[in-house]
Amino acid sequence: GESVGLHLPTLSVQEGDNSIINCAYSNSASDYFIWYKQESGKGPQFIIDIRSNMDKRQGQRVTVLLNKTVKHLSLQIAATQPGDSAVYFCAENRVRNQGGKLIFGQGTELSVKP
Amino acid sequence: NAGVTQTPKFQVLKTGQSMTLQCAQDMNHNSMYWYRQDPGMGLRLIYYSASEGTTDKGEVPNGYNVSRLNKREFSLRLESAAPSQTSVYFCASSTPRGPSGNTIYFGEGSWLTVV
Repeated sequence: GESVGLHLPTLSVQEGDNSIINCAYSNSASDYFIWYKQESGKGPQFIIDIRSNMDKRQGQRVTVLLNKTVKHLSLQIAATQPGDSAVYFCAENRVRNQGGKLIFGQGTELSVKP
Repeated sequence: NAGVTQTPKFQVLKTGQSMTLQCAQDMNHNSMYWYRQDPGMGLRLIYYSASEGTTDKGEVPNGYNVSRLNKREFSLRLESAAPSQTSVYFCASSTPRGPSGNTIYFGEGSWLTVV
């Protein structure tokens, strides 16, 4: 069935290193993708989004890459800090102009070692 | 800025009891949503409201009802709670970001346990 999923459930990196979190999606009609960060005991927090007419978008220390050919999405975090420790979700918006019907992946837990 | 506020934060219910989760947003967003999050899983959409006066089912609507009281408030009701409804519930609201997609803002979550 259609799904948005993550390749790895956990990722451990050294402070200062770059982190790469991956996500696969199966619906080629999806045209909007979002990365969320969720800290323990809190709601998901918007990080960055990308539309299907782009293949790269940069924010502050974060970059999202979209490869529509293989239906793959990644989140790169530069110079990872302890405050980046959280669960990261990719989400896929499949309903044009009706937002909110986000399909979430399972999540990847990022752990930053000092 | 309050953003999305939901109450209660924690609740324990007995099987068969009813309760309502309240949600309010102060960002003047048209769309509001209720999600549930279970361990090891992403968020799943229960119900959403594209605008005041309208509601639609999401992925997992069974056992729930919703009310879009006004533009600010969107409540989720469990009429007869079941242990399978033990979960963390998130309310959210969104603003359009162009022809496709919306940026969604989440509340802090409501931890519900049904025993």
